[in-house]
Amino acid sequence: QQPVQSPQAVILREGEDAVINCSSSKALYSVHWYRQKHGEAPVFLMILLKGGEQKGHDKISASFNEKKQQSSLYLTASQLSYSGTYFCGTSNRDDKIIFGKGTRLHILP
Amino acid sequence: SAVISQKPSRDICQRGTSLTIQCQVDSQVTMMFWYRQQPGQSLTLIATANQGSEATYESGFVIDKFPISRPNLTFSTLTVSNMSPEDSSIYLCSGTQGGPSYNEQFFGPGTRLTVL
Repeated sequence: QQPVQSPQAVILREGEDAVINCSSSKALYSVHWYRQKHGEAPVFLMILLKGGEQKGHDKISASFNEKKQQSSLYLTASQLSYSGTYFCGTSNRDDKIIFGKGTRLHILP
Repeated sequence: SAVISQKPSRDICQRGTSLTIQCQVDSQVTMMFWYRQQPGQSLTLIATANQGSEATYESGFVIDKFPISRPNLTFSTLTVSNMSPEDSSIYLCSGTQGGPSYNEQFFGPGTRLTVL
């Protein structure tokens, strides 16, 4: 079951904050976040495991609410380098990741 | 971590022909996967490449159309057979060091395939 991401696209000015949401209709073991720039491979951001944890590095963090089967990615004080498409991927421990349709983020100077 | 390379990086093929894409990892990975991505779209899992045994295909993908090999822990191939224009897409391979549910996936740069 493909997770649902929202919003589909976001346009921000440099320095503004953004939240990207990911939800699933199935029980989740883990949520994965990747960023892909145009013409490049997806790059790993973080994994959140069952247990309702939060993670972050630099100004990008995420939370995972296993009861609601939802995860959110928080981008604080966005930089131009944050532009790209963000994908969440979900797993229910069956040795594969199913990715959402992606959220396109465009940062304006 | 692992660095993944793919060959070719892009190709233009005629309808009805086949293309084999190679995926090479610079270190051993536990699992390898093949994805398809239409420009601006999501990553769709084609199959899990299992070492020494038949690949595990996702719904909508069959072995006759997308035969996969994985002879060792660092190499895999995906063949797109009897191609049609609908097969035009970017094909990516990925690998994990450990179970994919709780480990980072490393992606190759992709192979951009155009079928005429």
